[in-house]
Amino acid sequence: KAGVTQTPRYLIKTRGQQVTLSCSPISGHRSVSWYQQTPGQGLQFLFEYFSETQRNKGNFPGRFSGRQFSNSRSEMNVSTLELGDSALYLCASSPGADTRNTEAFFGQGTRLTVV
Amino acid sequence: DQQVKQNSPSLSVQEGRISILNCDYTNSMFDYFLWYKKYPAEGPTFLISISSIKDKNEDGRFTVFLNKSAKHLSLHIVPSQPGDSAVYFCAASAGNYGQNFVFGPGTRLSVLP
Repeated sequence: KAGVTQTPRYLIKTRGQQVTLSCSPISGHRSVSWYQQTPGQGLQFLFEYFSETQRNKGNFPGRFSGRQFSNSRSEMNVSTLELGDSALYLCASSPGADTRNTEAFFGQGTRLTVV
Repeated sequence: DQQVKQNSPSLSVQEGRISILNCDYTNSMFDYFLWYKKYPAEGPTFLISISSIKDKNEDGRFTVFLNKSAKHLSLHIVPSQPGDSAVYFCAASAGNYGQNFVFGPGTRLSVLP
């Protein structure tokens, strides 16, 4: 069974640009969550999508957005990039409706560097 | 303000001995807790979870203890193995469906042969 796939693995962008990251969950999983990992703040929840709808949202500015497609693949977009957006962005998939009580499977992440 | 704290950034343990990783939380609404393990260049992997209706959950070498009154949980690994060397994250969530977990900053465990 294929795992969670995130593309690209590495990305370098310039301040002010926008970026789109992609996540393909495990086949059959309907929930996709996004997290930002930085050395100073650790792992922080961005948002979760379930059946193409945003179900939960963390405390990030509106520059961070996402969407989920009918095949459960998800994209995350960051507009007007700032230096502080440099981080490892992790995607996690979970199988069912009550994803709180099931484990999440994480991808390897996309390392974004903003210069 | 960190709602989930792991006050030990690192821990070293001899192979075969017990590893105890600690986690404290401040939000009394948290009622579900998980531990994840992360190796370099990989995403976190789920280890074990516990609901607030329990005070202990065991899975092989891994046991998680929850002390609700102290808002404290701990992960025990017995016996520790060199392959357990990784960063361990504690995560918590409060009573709703979905994956909006609050993660602690992590503890780096080194198991020495």
